[in-house]
Amino acid sequence: EAQVTQNPRYLITVTGKKLTVTCSQNMNHEYMSWYRQDPGLGLRQIYYSMNVEVTDKGDVPEGYKVSRKEKRNFPLILESPSPNQTSLYFCASSTAYQPQHFGDGTRLSIL
Amino acid sequence: KNEVEQSPQNLTAQEGEFITINCSYSVGISALHWLQQHPGGGIVSLFMLSSGKKKHGRLIATINIQEKHSSLHITASHPRDSAVYICAVTNTGNQFYFGTGTSLTVIP
Repeated sequence: EAQVTQNPRYLITVTGKKLTVTCSQNMNHEYMSWYRQDPGLGLRQIYYSMNVEVTDKGDVPEGYKVSRKEKRNFPLILESPSPNQTSLYFCASSTAYQPQHFGDGTRLSIL
Repeated sequence: KNEVEQSPQNLTAQEGEFITINCSYSVGISALHWLQQHPGGGIVSLFMLSSGKKKHGRLIATINIQEKHSSLHITASHPRDSAVYICAVTNTGNQFYFGTGTSLTVIP
């Protein structure tokens, strides 16, 4: 089954404790992207990747890191999480010029 | 800065009604997307278009590139159409910008 898998689905953690949210897709898609969704602000793009070893900043990259060492994986790293990064996060993937497939979301709470 | 504006923000309709959601954008785009998000959070891509019109079942999406405007139409609406509908654009640099969504409730 074609899917984008995010882990964990839910996480409560504390300020400053490094965390990684994993994203994996099984569709051999070139394009992968991370978004955060906040009430009143909607979805905003954090980082995206056009292919292996190619990443670019989206609208709100501050406080986040990504890497694309393999085509299927695109982890989101919060080196020193802060409460303003409490949000619902989505990973998505697609081939060029095709609609995106979204993961089920990761709800992060940073205390 | 709001690259993508949607209207209305909230919409309540009776089952069977014809529904229109509008989207305007202010940047140069390579594509426009309509997404659906049900309560519980999952997001599904409904349409991706760069010109003209697309139809899938009871859903129709149109785009006018000159006017920088798109519409999503739902014919013969049904309670299962109740969801948040989100307009998004991809700029020429492959970045995504999103509207804040239209919350649709269809009453039986």
